[in-house]
Amino acid sequence: QVHLEQSGAEVKKPGASVKVSCKAVGYTFNDYYLQWVRQAPGQGLEWMGWINPNTGSTNYAQRFQGRVSMTTDTSITTAYMELSRMTHDDTAMYFCARGLLGSNGWYYFDFWGQGTLVTVSS
Amino acid sequence: EILMTQSPATLSVSLGESATLSCRASLSVSTSLAWYQQKPGQAPRLLIFDASTRATGVAARFSGSGSGTEFTLTIRSLQSEDFAVYYCQQYHYWPLTFGGGTKVGIK
Repeated sequence: QVHLEQSGAEVKKPGASVKVSCKAVGYTFNDYYLQWVRQAPGQGLEWMGWINPNTGSTNYAQRFQGRVSMTTDTSITTAYMELSRMTHDDTAMYFCARGLLGSNGWYYFDFWGQGTLVTVSS
Repeated sequence: EILMTQSPATLSVSLGESATLSCRASLSVSTSLAWYQQKPGQAPRLLIFDASTRATGVAARFSGSGSGTEFTLTIRSLQSEDFAVYYCQQYHYWPLTFGGGTKVGIK
């Protein structure tokens, strides 16, 4: 049974960093890219980037370049997303998701974590 | 960046009726299009990928169609559990982008 279990809610001050974890079980961790998607309160979904657990290579959405870092620890099948220099606009639910390669393109997401609420508040 | 536009923003449907949701891409994305369902307080759930292939475990009343820039998600005979927000996502181009969502509510 594929399951992605994320770490708990966080409250951070502006300018701080947050590191969210995503523990994967039920499949071969190295075989699937791990994606991160966020959702501001009452808003839509925004893709942040992906990591290849097998090689550690990453691909970040341009708007997060320089502020986001995605890593994995394959020994414990866990992925991490760290976002730095946060502002109030970074208040959102952050999801990890397993990526599947489409037949004619990049990745869609078949399994999702439950989400981690990150609140940026002074 | 590919802009995904969903319409309508909200849709009111009676139980047992059908619903048709639209998604338009600003550039052709071939059939690299997925649909997700999201209920309040939950993560999105994959319904359709490659524009028309139902994900494992998804009810047959959900169907997807389209290619290029115009896509449709049809829900036949709506059940109470189908009232939710639906998002489309293109994955033909990087960065991956989502539509703004269509909220399907009870009439």
